[in-house]
Amino acid sequence: GQNIDQPTEMTATEGAIVQINCTYQTSGFNGLFWYQQHAGEAPTFLSYNVLDGLEEKGRFSSFLSRSKGYSYLLLKELQMKDSASYLCAVKNSNYQLIWGAGTKLIIKP
Amino acid sequence: EAGVAQSPRYRIIEKRQSVAFWCNPISGHATLYWYQQILGQGPKLLIQFQNNGVVDDSQLPKDRFSAERLKGVDSTLKIQPAKLEDSAVYLCASSLAPFRVAGGTYEQYFGPGTRLTVT
Repeated sequence: GQNIDQPTEMTATEGAIVQINCTYQTSGFNGLFWYQQHAGEAPTFLSYNVLDGLEEKGRFSSFLSRSKGYSYLLLKELQMKDSASYLCAVKNSNYQLIWGAGTKLIIKP
Repeated sequence: EAGVAQSPRYRIIEKRQSVAFWCNPISGHATLYWYQQILGQGPKLLIQFQNNGVVDDSQLPKDRFSAERLKGVDSTLKIQPAKLEDSAVYLCASSLAPFRVAGGTYEQYFGPGTRLTVT
């Protein structure tokens, strides 16, 4: 089967750094996406990785290791507005997007 | 640019009733997706359209769910009859190109969703 594993919930402090991990087992790989979803809202696109390495975009960075089936999303200088769920999704060889259940990130002052 | 529009935002119906959702994708986006998201879970793809043709409906419960995208723009998703387990948020998304394009991000843009409660 195909599956995406992420921690269910994480807690971090405002101003700190947090790393959200994602491991995947899919039939083939054509890219990995991270989406942010605030409670009661639709997911919004954060990042896309198709090659190994780190992609940096402001306070957010995403890392991919295809050989390990592993990615992480790194959030720096955490703000209260970063409290949300973070969804990892992988595009498989059939170009289907397989979604994880998401990691709920709670930011404390 | 206008985002993905969905209506209604909320519906409460009794089991065995029928319900329909409407989606208007971003102008020029050829690919349209309907997802079901149950609380605490990731989105589950129900159906994917490329223009007005179906690309993937492998997870659509066809005995009760139907969807169409006439003229390759707007789309409707219908449930008839509804069951208690259909309570979820129904998300519509669109992307510029089909995912079957290598080398491109072609991220999906989501609408606000319709929250369905079946009692």
